[in-house]
Amino acid sequence: GENVEQHPSTLSVQEGDSAVIKCTYSDSASNYFPWYKQELGKRPQLIIDIRSNVGEKKDQRIAVTLNKTAKHFSLHITETQPEDSAVYFCAATLGGFKTIFGAGTRLFVKA
Amino acid sequence: ETGVTQTPRHLVMGMTNKKSLKCEQHLGHNAMYWYKQSAKKPLELMFVYSLEERVENNSVPSRFSPECPNSSHLFLHLHTLQPEDSALYLCASSQDRNLLHTQYFGPGTRLTVL
Repeated sequence: GENVEQHPSTLSVQEGDSAVIKCTYSDSASNYFPWYKQELGKRPQLIIDIRSNVGEKKDQRIAVTLNKTAKHFSLHITETQPEDSAVYFCAATLGGFKTIFGAGTRLFVKA
Repeated sequence: ETGVTQTPRHLVMGMTNKKSLKCEQHLGHNAMYWYKQSAKKPLELMFVYSLEERVENNSVPSRFSPECPNSSHLFLHLHTLQPEDSALYLCASSQDRNLLHTQYFGPGTRLTVL
């Protein structure tokens, strides 16, 4: 069935380094790819999204890239800060109302 | 953080109890969602309502019964749950039927089934 694979499940980086989280999706009809950040005890919040007609999008220290041919997309965080520590979820919409989420990546940024 | 609210925030119930979760959105959105979030598992979409009509039911057991009386309110009625139903239940809303609009999540209800 439809699924979204997300790697790694845990990522630990030193403050100031970059972090990269990768996701692959199975259905080529997917056309919208949001990324959510969920801090401990809080709700998931959108941090960036990308549509299938775009290959890359950047917002300050956060960027997302999309490779439709390979069916994968990635989140890049540069100059990481301790407040970036959270669980990050990728997702892919498969048409209609189906949003499939990845299992999440727990990011630790060490000061 | 008052766009989407959920009550109660925490709920402990026995397997024979009946309880309801409530979600309210103040964003003028037309679509609302229930998700289940279990530890170390992806967010699972349970139900979707668009303009108060259920448009998605992701093979959810009948012990979960959603209700959407209007576009601002969404309920999840719980009856004879199992311990494995313990999880964080998240409500979300989006602007309209088109999922290319961002979903905004509520804070969730932490449910424990004894």
